[in-house]
Amino acid sequence: NAGVTQTPKFQVLKTGQSMTLQCAQDMNHNSMYWYRQDPGMGLRLIYYSASEGTTDKGEVPNGYNVSRLNKREFSLRLESAAPSQTSVYFCASSEATTPNYGYTFGSGTRLTVV
Amino acid sequence: LAKTTQPISMDSYEGQEVNITCSHNNIATNDYITWYQQFPSQGPRFIIQGYKTKVTNEVASLFIPADRKSSTLSLPRVSLSDTAVYYCLASGDSGAGSYQLTFGKGTKLSVIP
Repeated sequence: NAGVTQTPKFQVLKTGQSMTLQCAQDMNHNSMYWYRQDPGMGLRLIYYSASEGTTDKGEVPNGYNVSRLNKREFSLRLESAAPSQTSVYFCASSEATTPNYGYTFGSGTRLTVV
Repeated sequence: LAKTTQPISMDSYEGQEVNITCSHNNIATNDYITWYQQFPSQGPRFIIQGYKTKVTNEVASLFIPADRKSSTLSLPRVSLSDTAVYYCLASGDSGAGSYQLTFGKGTKLSVIP
């Protein structure tokens, strides 16, 4: 099992460019999440999807959009990248109903906006 | 979501037992306590989870007193490969059929040879 797969692993964007970060999980999990992590900081929740067909804002949603394409895939889009969005982005998935099983995280996408 | 407080950093020698304590004074009745480990350039990894008393797995033990206002992660006989950031979280069902984890800055554990 691959678990949670994120693509790309690295990306450099110019200010104003757009891009989509892809995430796919093969564990049949209902819930999926996007976090960002800045140097020396914990992870901050951007958006999450409790189940296929639903999405909700997290702590820091401004400048981002998401799409829950199907049960496996949850993408994060930056419409007009800004230097403040330079960060490492992590996708995660979990069983939806209780926290008993924890989250499974991907290996991250390191994004630099210049 | 209950706020958690844990030390910013800890140092330990190889082979020692390490205990990292986390306080969560306003933990809710349905919150579970979960610990994650994060190595540089990797996503966090689930270590252990508990609700009350003691939980043990092949990696660590988790001690939770009866009042549940704190918890202690115990790592037996640490090695250099245990150098990582450890996050303590308290979370429960938000009522929308899912739950969201809030990560603080964690505890940076440095294991010294």
